[in-house]
Amino acid sequence: GDSVTQMEGPVTLSEEAFLTINCTYTATGYPSLFWYVQYPGEGLQLLLKATKADDKGSNKGFEATYRKETTSFHLEKGSVQVSDSAVYFCALSDLGTDGGFKTIFGAGTRLFVKA
Amino acid sequence: EAQVTQNPRYLITVTGKKLTVTCSQNMNHEYMSWYRQDPGLGLRQIYYSMNVEVTDKGDVPEGYKVSRKEKRNFPLILESPSPNQTSLYFCASSFDREYQPQHFGDGTRLSIL
Repeated sequence: GDSVTQMEGPVTLSEEAFLTINCTYTATGYPSLFWYVQYPGEGLQLLLKATKADDKGSNKGFEATYRKETTSFHLEKGSVQVSDSAVYFCALSDLGTDGGFKTIFGAGTRLFVKA
Repeated sequence: EAQVTQNPRYLITVTGKKLTVTCSQNMNHEYMSWYRQDPGLGLRQIYYSMNVEVTDKGDVPEGYKVSRKEKRNFPLILESPSPNQTSLYFCASSFDREYQPQHFGDGTRLSIL
C-alpha cells in the first residue's frame, strides 16, 4: 500500500540556517503531496501542496518540488526563524481501492531553531 | 472565523465506559475525517466521510464508530474503550474537490485507564 517516509528528528538548527527535511513516498496511483506543520498544542496546518509531477508548492518561505523520478517531496527553507520550530509532516493523498480518497502521513520531523 | 471544534480537549476515563468525541465545522465542508496521532507513527486515519450519511473506514477503524447525520458534525464514538486507544485524536475537514484535510481541530487527548 501507499506509504510516506520522512527523516527522523529532531533537527536542530541555528536561526538563518538552511533547512531541508527529506520525504519520500510509495504510491500505486498518482498522488497529491503535502506538507503540514504542527505547532505545540495545536492541530496540523496545511503548509503547501503539489498535485502533479514537477509542481513546486511554496508558502511562507518554504518550498517543495514533486519529483516523480525519485518519488520525493523534500521540504526546504533558505533561512529559518525561531518561530519555525514545530513538527513537520509529509503526506500524500490518493484514491483508495474502495473509491474514496485516503491521506497517508509520515511520522513527522521535529524542528528546533535556536536564536 | 473558519473553525473545526472538538470536544472535549482532554479526557481520562476507564476501560469499557462508552465515550463520544464531538467534531463540528462551520465551513460547510463535505469531507470530514478522524485521525489518531501516536509517537513515531504520525497520523493514521480512523474514518472519513465524503458527505452526509456516507462514511468509510480508514486505516485503523477497529474499536471506533462514526456517524454523519448532519454536514457540520462528525462525532467519533468509542463503544468500549480500551487502553490501546489512549492517543491524541484530530478531526479535520476539507472542500469537496480537495479531499486532503485542510482544517484541523486542536485535538482531543484521551487516556483510557
